[in-house]
Amino acid sequence: AQRVTQPEKLLSVFKGAPVELKCNYSYSGSPELFWYVQYSRQRLQLLLRHISRESIKGFTADLNKGETSFHLKKPFAQEEDSAMYYCALRGGAQKLVFGQGTRLTINP
Amino acid sequence: DAGVIQSPRHEVTEMGQEVTLRCKPISGHDYLFWYRQTMMRGLELLIYFNNNVPIDDSGMPEDRFSAKMPNASFSTLKIQPSEPRDSAVYFCASSRPSGRTSGNTIYFGEGSWLTVV
Repeated sequence: AQRVTQPEKLLSVFKGAPVELKCNYSYSGSPELFWYVQYSRQRLQLLLRHISRESIKGFTADLNKGETSFHLKKPFAQEEDSAMYYCALRGGAQKLVFGQGTRLTINP
Repeated sequence: DAGVIQSPRHEVTEMGQEVTLRCKPISGHDYLFWYRQTMMRGLELLIYFNNNVPIDDSGMPEDRFSAKMPNASFSTLKIQPSEPRDSAVYFCASSRPSGRTSGNTIYFGEGSWLTVV
């Protein structure tokens, strides 16, 4: 079975502080992991994916197969980072399985 | 490309009425997905199609829900009869052609906000 767990429903940090959104997954094969972001009342947008090993808007995420985690990190939070963040997994099929999401609020 | 297009953006309907949500995927994409978003359950996959054929409908909650894809550029999600617990945001999404399953990005529409009163 494929499962994605985001343990924090809400996360609040101050502007300029580091941010880490946690994501753990369960999948017996080699998964593809993604982070999607949803700004207020907008569509979900791909933020980054593990195979690209890229940094988008200052965010990075490293796939840790030993810990089955794909935590999203940013060293210095900005107010415009306030949004809903979803971790997602793709197994053998094309579909994405999402976590419950974490609502990130950046306080000024 | 205009992206995935959904209609209506907002719908308020009375319990018992039929609701039809529509989706136009990105041209050239041959996978289409319907997701439902609620506060309690997050994002749930309802059903997805490949080349207009339903591949996995295990997420469809019950017989009141049905989805069709009559051609490559159009899909509908129908709820009949609707109930207040169906109130949610319904997202349609699509992704790139077969043969490149690894690394494909799934693109989402702006969602249809459904309220059943």
